[in-house]
Amino acid sequence: EAGVVQSPRYKIIEKKQPVAFWCNPISGHNTLYWYRQNLGQGPELLIRYENEEAVDDSQLPKDRFSAERLKGVDSTLKIQPAELGDSAVYLCASSRNSGGYIYNEQFFGPGTRLTVL
Amino acid sequence: AQTVTQSQPEMSVQEAETVTLSCTYDTSESDYYLFWYKQPPSRQMILVIRQEAYKQQNATENRFSVNFQKAAKSFSLKISDSQLGDAAMYFCAYKWNAGNMLTFGGGTRLMVKP
Repeated sequence: EAGVVQSPRYKIIEKKQPVAFWCNPISGHNTLYWYRQNLGQGPELLIRYENEEAVDDSQLPKDRFSAERLKGVDSTLKIQPAELGDSAVYLCASSRNSGGYIYNEQFFGPGTRLTVL
Repeated sequence: AQTVTQSQPEMSVQEAETVTLSCTYDTSESDYYLFWYKQPPSRQMILVIRQEAYKQQNATENRFSVNFQKAAKSFSLKISDSQLGDAAMYFCAYKWNAGNMLTFGGGTRLMVKP
C-alpha cells in the first residue's frame, strides 16, 4: 500500500510570492489533515477534511492561507502572499475514520520544507 | 485546552543501553489516547506506540514500552537495547477519544552513541 505522498519536498521562495503544496492521501482514507511544524517544535493542525468538507480550520490563517480537497481525494494548501514567518515544514496526514470512538491511526507524509527569503 | 509537555529537548544514550523519554499532559477528559511518534531526518512521522487511557496495563511494542500514570498525567517512553536507528526526534501526542485532532509536545531529540 502506497503511503501519503506530498510534493514538492522542498520549496524556496521570496516573501510575498505565492506557493502551493500538494498531498495525495492513502487510498480509501476519508480524512485528511494539514499540519505546520516550525523548527524544533511539534506539528500543529491547520485544517482537517472529512471527505470534501473542511471540518476543523480554526488554526488556518485565512487571510493568506487556503486549502481545497476536490473530489475528497487529493488536497492542495496554498499561501498567498508568503511571509518570512511561514518558513516551516508542512505535513499532510490521512486516516480512515469510521466515526464513533474507534481509534483511527493517522499516517503522515514526508512533508514539504518551505523556506521564505 | 489540552497541552502536552516534553521537558527534555535532547537525550543521549549508549548503543544497547536503555533510555526513558518523559512526557506530561493536561486534560479534563477521561477518555483519550496517548502516542509516541518518531520523526527521523526524513521527516516522516512514524507511530511507535499508543496507549488507551482506560487501559491500566502499559503498552509494549518490542523494545518500546510506556509508563502510563493517569493520575499524574505522565506518559514516558522507555527504549530498551537502543540501536543506532533509534536516533530521531520523538514526539508525545494526545488525542481525545471522541475527536480527531492530535496535540503534540515539543519533541525530544534522541542521540544514540556507538
